[in-house]
Amino acid sequence: DAGITQSPRHKVTETGTPVTLRCHQTENHRYMYWYRQDPGHGLRLIHYSYGVKDTDKGEVSDGYSVSRSKTEDFLLTLESATSSQTSVYFCAIRTSSDGELFFGEGSRLTVL
Amino acid sequence: QKEVEQNSGPLSVPEGAIASLNCTYSDRGSQSFFWYRQYSGKSPELIMSIYSNGDKEDGRFTAQLNKASQYVSLLIRDSQPSDSATYLCAVNTGGFKTIFGAGTRLFVKA
Repeated sequence: DAGITQSPRHKVTETGTPVTLRCHQTENHRYMYWYRQDPGHGLRLIHYSYGVKDTDKGEVSDGYSVSRSKTEDFLLTLESATSSQTSVYFCAIRTSSDGELFFGEGSRLTVL
Repeated sequence: QKEVEQNSGPLSVPEGAIASLNCTYSDRGSQSFFWYRQYSGKSPELIMSIYSNGDKEDGRFTAQLNKASQYVSLLIRDSQPSDSATYLCAVNTGGFKTIFGAGTRLFVKA
């Protein structure tokens, strides 16, 4: 089974502070994704990666940056957190060529 | 903007009934279609994939795809209270991106 670990699982921070969420996989999958989930909006794609140092924007990328220096790690950074970024963030890996995704357990971020 | 639309529900069905969940998508070039189940406070998990027109059955679940109508559906037969969850329709729009609908909440009453 694919293994994904997200950290931290819960975080409360203040507006204007930087925040980094980490996604770690153990299966050497090439494609990794960051989604956010908010009531009424479902899952929205923030950024994705198709290889080491290869990343691209999703539909809600403003205010977020990502980095992937190793196959197993995909980092999501909020340079200056805002209250609108309060959300649950899910990391996912693509487990098939047809696009099937396996999700991590999620990271709940609250920006006060 | 490529979109995936679902009725947010909630959809309430009695135990043992058939639950029917529907989804439409905007990108005609989409090739892969998925249904994910998400329990409250948990992460989404894949329950069905479908790639060609017609029906695909897996146990109590049947996925249906009609590319001409840009329509995907999920039928759950003999619904159980444990099926109560949010069901997310997802579409791979080509390349690396998968777009999700907002989800339909299903309640199965015992």
